[in-house]
Amino acid sequence: TQLLEQSPQFLSIQEGENLTVYCNSSSVFSSLQWYRQEPGEGPVLLVTVVTGGEVKKLKRLTFQFGDARKDSSLHITAAQPGDTGLYLCAGAPNSGYALNFGKGTSLLVTP
Amino acid sequence: EPEVTQTPSHQVTQMGQEVILRCVPISNHLYFYWYRQILGQKVEFLVSFYNNEISEKSEIFDDQFSVERPDGSNFTLKIRSTKLEDSAMYFCASRVDSYAHEQYFGPGTRLTVT
Repeated sequence: TQLLEQSPQFLSIQEGENLTVYCNSSSVFSSLQWYRQEPGEGPVLLVTVVTGGEVKKLKRLTFQFGDARKDSSLHITAAQPGDTGLYLCAGAPNSGYALNFGKGTSLLVTP
Repeated sequence: EPEVTQTPSHQVTQMGQEVILRCVPISNHLYFYWYRQILGQKVEFLVSFYNNEISEKSEIFDDQFSVERPDGSNFTLKIRSTKLEDSAMYFCASRVDSYAHEQYFGPGTRLTVT
């Protein structure tokens, strides 16, 4: 099993601040996916990164895949209370294989 | 936008009873998955299914579990004799084809075994 370590585990910031959360592994992944999960609901896909060094932007969210395809980061600019939630990274060794999930970063953005 | 649906949203059952969790994957998707998440823990893979066969399963997916695609739309997970430790959120996911990386998740079924 390819383990994914997410850090920090918890993050509490004020509205308007910037933040970065990390997803690290010693294993190589064919792709990494970032999901956001609300309590009692299913993970909602935010983005998939496939190519080493790839950067993808989704409004105020910037996702980067490490050059060696072992790690990824999520940067949020000017966080808003609506960004509050659990952010999960998940990867698979090859397309279609079972996803391994990290434990997530729980983000709280206060007004 | 097409989405994965799951029923029921919440199932309460007694230990030893059989339960069937149902999922309707996105209509043109070919690959189907079940995951579970015990309260406070990470999402764990159970099984993947393609072309009416199990393509991969985890150690969790023992003889008490089975999956089936009984018709062209439903994808089910059966637990034959539930245990207390089967209490969890169960998520179905689907993927469009072998070239895609993305898996789309349903809202989940909360299974409570008493």
